[in-house]
Amino acid sequence: KAGVTQTPRYLIKTRGQQVTLSCSPISGHRSVSWYQQTPGQGLQFLFEYFSETQRNKGNFPGRFSGRQFSNSRSEMNVSTLELGDSALYLCASSRDTGGNTIYFGEGSWLTVV
Amino acid sequence: TQLLEQSPQFLSIQEGENLTVYCNSSSVFSSLQWYRQEPGEGPVLLVTVVTGGEVKKLKRLTFQFGDARKDSSLHITAAQPGDTGLYLCAGTPRFSGNTPLVFGKGTRLSVIA
Repeated sequence: KAGVTQTPRYLIKTRGQQVTLSCSPISGHRSVSWYQQTPGQGLQFLFEYFSETQRNKGNFPGRFSGRQFSNSRSEMNVSTLELGDSALYLCASSRDTGGNTIYFGEGSWLTVV
Repeated sequence: TQLLEQSPQFLSIQEGENLTVYCNSSSVFSSLQWYRQEPGEGPVLLVTVVTGGEVKKLKRLTFQFGDARKDSSLHITAAQPGDTGLYLCAGTPRFSGNTPLVFGKGTRLSVIA
């Protein structure tokens, strides 16, 4: 069965712009989590959605937002991009919420210039 | 404060050598997972350990969950260049309720042919 799919894989944006990243979970998975990965900070949790509701939120500013659709697909948006937002953004899905085994997509590489 | 501490942070070894990497915490975990991430890709789940003292083997990889469920180790026998990557441990703290997985910062392994 298909894994977690993230689009786009690579993108370059300018400071001040906004970006939307998309994630399609594994079929049958209802929970989608987003992580930011940088060399210095490792994997940092952004937020988790389950049945279109945000269940958990990490310690990121309000410029980072997300949503989940009725088909479990999810998007995250970052507004007013800063240079420090350059990172690999990873989406992961699981059957249920609450720290169960999660499966990652290949990620979206965002570079802010 | 990092809930899961991984050591060593970096490891470079020759092909054929054995190695062990560690994942430690002062907290008790309901389960721990190990992921391997190759450059430019998302983390791939290797194993989940649930029971204290549990040992799981995956070909040349041996995973152990500590008796007290506060730590885990990954041992690789006769390392190969294909084992190169970032090894991440992640877990669900016990009694944490509906919280997301906690990740360590990883051990970056390089196996030289």
